[in-house]
Amino acid sequence: GESVGLHLPTLSVQEGDNSIINCAYSNSASDYFIWYKQESGKGPQFIIDIRSNMDKRQGQRVTVLLNKTVKHLSLQIAATQPGDSAVYFCAENRAQAGTALIFGKGTTLSVSS
Amino acid sequence: DTEVTQTPKHLVMGMTNKKSLKCEQHMGHRAMYWYKQKAKKPPELMFVYSYEKLSINESVPSRFSPECPNSSLLNLHLHALQPEDSALYLCASSQDLGAGFGEKLFFGSGTQLSVL
Repeated sequence: GESVGLHLPTLSVQEGDNSIINCAYSNSASDYFIWYKQESGKGPQFIIDIRSNMDKRQGQRVTVLLNKTVKHLSLQIAATQPGDSAVYFCAENRAQAGTALIFGKGTTLSVSS
Repeated sequence: DTEVTQTPKHLVMGMTNKKSLKCEQHMGHRAMYWYKQKAKKPPELMFVYSYEKLSINESVPSRFSPECPNSSLLNLHLHALQPEDSALYLCASSQDLGAGFGEKLFFGSGTQLSVL
């Protein structure tokens, strides 16, 4: 079936670097996307979301980019810190009543100081 | 209060036991969800309740039985589970279900279940 996936299972960066985590989706009907951060032993924590009528959205130290032409989503983390170490999931939903969020495979981000 | 509270945090049960997982939210959300997550995998949707009615059942085996007693509470009753059912069970809530452009989910910390 169609699903949201991530390009790389792991990403290692140095503290202070900028991180980019990528996600490819296959369902052109998807029109709402979320990035979640999951630390060990915890549930997923909302980071940022974007709707399909936008191509960029910024938060505090994070930016999400959406390219609907190639069905690609990315999360950029500026000045990565050790506390950013976690698994990052993208998730998709469709503007359709009765549907729920579907998660992609996840990328483990490791930040070394 | 933006919390989703799950109890217990850890549960060990035998294959003949009956147990229940509990979830509570006080954000006034009308949709509540159960997800199952195996180690190093993404959460997989199991059930969704909307306005206390079961809206989505992702072909989950009947040994898992959800219940939504009211808009703030969600239970997952477990009976005759298999060792492969061992996983992290996550509860989530959202303001509504798939209304308009999709909904942001708030997750609890999960119940780590081990079936022996």
